[in-house]
Amino acid sequence: AQTVTQSQPEMSVQEAETVTLSCTYDTSENNYYLFWYKQPPSRQMILVIRQEAYKQQNATENRFSVNFQKAAKSFSLKISDSQLGDTAMYFCAFMRDQGAQKLVFGQGTRLTINP
Amino acid sequence: NAGVMQNPRHLVRRRGQEARLRCSPMKGHSHVYWYRQLPEEGLKFMVYLQKENIIDESGMPKERFSAEFPKEGPSILRIQQVVRGDSAAYFCASSPEVLGYGYTFGSGTRLTVV
Repeated sequence: AQTVTQSQPEMSVQEAETVTLSCTYDTSENNYYLFWYKQPPSRQMILVIRQEAYKQQNATENRFSVNFQKAAKSFSLKISDSQLGDTAMYFCAFMRDQGAQKLVFGQGTRLTINP
Repeated sequence: NAGVMQNPRHLVRRRGQEARLRCSPMKGHSHVYWYRQLPEEGLKFMVYLQKENIIDESGMPKERFSAEFPKEGPSILRIQQVVRGDSAAYFCASSPEVLGYGYTFGSGTRLTVV
């Protein structure tokens, strides 16, 4: 069974700083998908970024980018020029390339951006 | 293009009552998933459905929980004889046919059992 681990329960940075959230996972699969979801206080789950394991190039979405290290099974999220609206819980998630499209989530990192 | 619609947003039930949670997927999405989130935890998969079919229910508790996605109407997650441990946020998500695209989540239903 796949597992996803987020080792940082909480993080806090100043507005405009860069912050990196860590995520490691365990799988015997070769092809899969990785995601970062954001959950603000409204509770809505918002897809931030996705990565396909067979692509070596790291995904980027505006201020959000990932550092995908397949051999190390690591998938960190970097937020540049952080904004107050980035304050939220962030969840890393894994999905197999076949079978049911189930997401396996990590425990989450609570990120606070301070003014 | 409305997103995934869940209702109610909040639901309070007394122990022993039934809870019915509804989910309408995004237009054009044929796959529906239900997840449960306990306080301060990540989401846990419960069930995956397509129209009139349960594809994977490996995350559903064996008793009291059931789900359906009829040909017409929303998907329903039903919890019979609720207990305090059922208190959680229940999220529905939908996706198109394309594998690995990622889901669109609803805003969740917070169930409180008193």
